[in-house]
Amino acid sequence: GQQLNQSPQSMFIQEGEDVSMNCTSSSIFNTWLWYKQDPGEGPVLLIALYKAGELTSNGRLTAQFGITRKDSFLNISASIPSDVGIYFCAGQPPQRTYKYIFGTGTRLKVLA
Amino acid sequence: DTGVSQDPRHKITKRGQNVTFRCDPISEHNHLYWYRQTLGQGPEFLTYFQNEAQLEKSRLLSDRFSAERPKGSFSTLEIQRTEQGDSAMYLCASTLGAGGAQYFGPGTRLTVT
Repeated sequence: GQQLNQSPQSMFIQEGEDVSMNCTSSSIFNTWLWYKQDPGEGPVLLIALYKAGELTSNGRLTAQFGITRKDSFLNISASIPSDVGIYFCAGQPPQRTYKYIFGTGTRLKVLA
Repeated sequence: DTGVSQDPRHKITKRGQNVTFRCDPISEHNHLYWYRQTLGQGPEFLTYFQNEAQLEKSRLLSDRFSAERPKGSFSTLEIQRTEQGDSAMYLCASTLGAGGAQYFGPGTRLTVT
């Protein structure tokens, strides 16, 4: 079945640094979503992307829908300790207008 | 709070017992999803409802699993004869439309002993 490759799997960064992560697929997607999940909690929606090439910001977060429709990127600027958590991408394939496929996550740790 | 709610948040049960989880979606959302998440993995799709109609079920949803959304509002997920492999976080999500942004509840953590 379709899979989303998310990278890096984990990263340690210093507070104040910028962070970049991405999600790639061999298939195209209609929608890309980015989530953050804290331990024991459900994923929290950060950014939703609906059109190829779309660039959307939410505070210090910026995400882009790749023009090939097979990838998406999330950037976090000036990281702070509360950015720690697991970041997931999710894509909605065109042939199924309701099912989302999730990546395996990027674990972010911020060192103060 | 008008977000997605799930009950209970935690459930510990013995192998072989039946368990039922409830999800209340965002009030105007007519699309509801159930996912399962194991440690270190992303959520895996289980099933989807549009109003009261269950439109898709994953192969992950064995015969021991059943989900309902009788009035197109809240939904229940039942697991019969639980097995240790059922231990996971069960997540519910809802969207306003089929292609819309998906909002998750806090999840129900199931532990089967």
